Amino acid sequence: DAKTTQPNSMESNEEEPVHLPCNHSTISGTDYIHWYRQLPSQGPEYVIHGLTSNVNNRMASLAIAEDRKSSTLILHRATLRDAAVYYCILRENRDDKIIFGKGTRLHILP
Amino acid sequence: DAGITQSPRHKVTETGTPVTLRCHQTENHRYMYWYRQDPGHGLRLIHYSYGVKDTDKGEVSDGYSVSRSKTEDFLLTLESATSSQTSVYFCAISHSSYEQYFGPGTRLTVT
Repeated sequence: DAKTTQPNSMESNEEEPVHLPCNHSTISGTDYIHWYRQLPSQGPEYVIHGLTSNVNNRMASLAIAEDRKSSTLILHRATLRDAAVYYCILRENRDDKIIFGKGTRLHILP
Repeated sequence: DAGITQSPRHKVTETGTPVTLRCHQTENHRYMYWYRQDPGHGLRLIHYSYGVKDTDKGEVSDGYSVSRSKTEDFLLTLESATSSQTSVYFCAISHSSYEQYFGPGTRLTVT
């Protein structure tokens, strides 16, 4: 499986945008980029996914580099409730499963 | 929220005893998954199912078995629990394998 690399932790101020990076230099043409997050004491929660084009939904935006070797999850206006571990995951198109890495622990400062 | 429940939510058991965890969904989703989460290891896939009676192994399947006799239920069994299986267990469901929805988790302690 192609691997992802994320910073162990990041800090951001409340009400400011947050850019969470993910490197996936060995990504293949059929790998989808998924993002999940896990709030304290809860199960993971789906955030967004994409293949080649940038994607937006009510939770976040996903910006994918033109060469697809990196991507960035963008939280447009962070709140304290966005403090969580964020996981960047690659999923092969025909694969039924996803493999979680260590993720990035995001701290939001009031 | 997706209709997914796990039972029990907490369990303490002794080494060597069998344990069964249940995941129940009301969404009629095709895919179901069992993960465990431990400090320092993150989430690891144990087993998953892509339909009734269709299951496959994940990253850490040794010591675990699963069964899915109905669409709505996915059972995880520890035939003889060991202390290394002390963990938080999460079940997840998915309609298309794109988005997974996770249950609240079961905290299992093996003494």
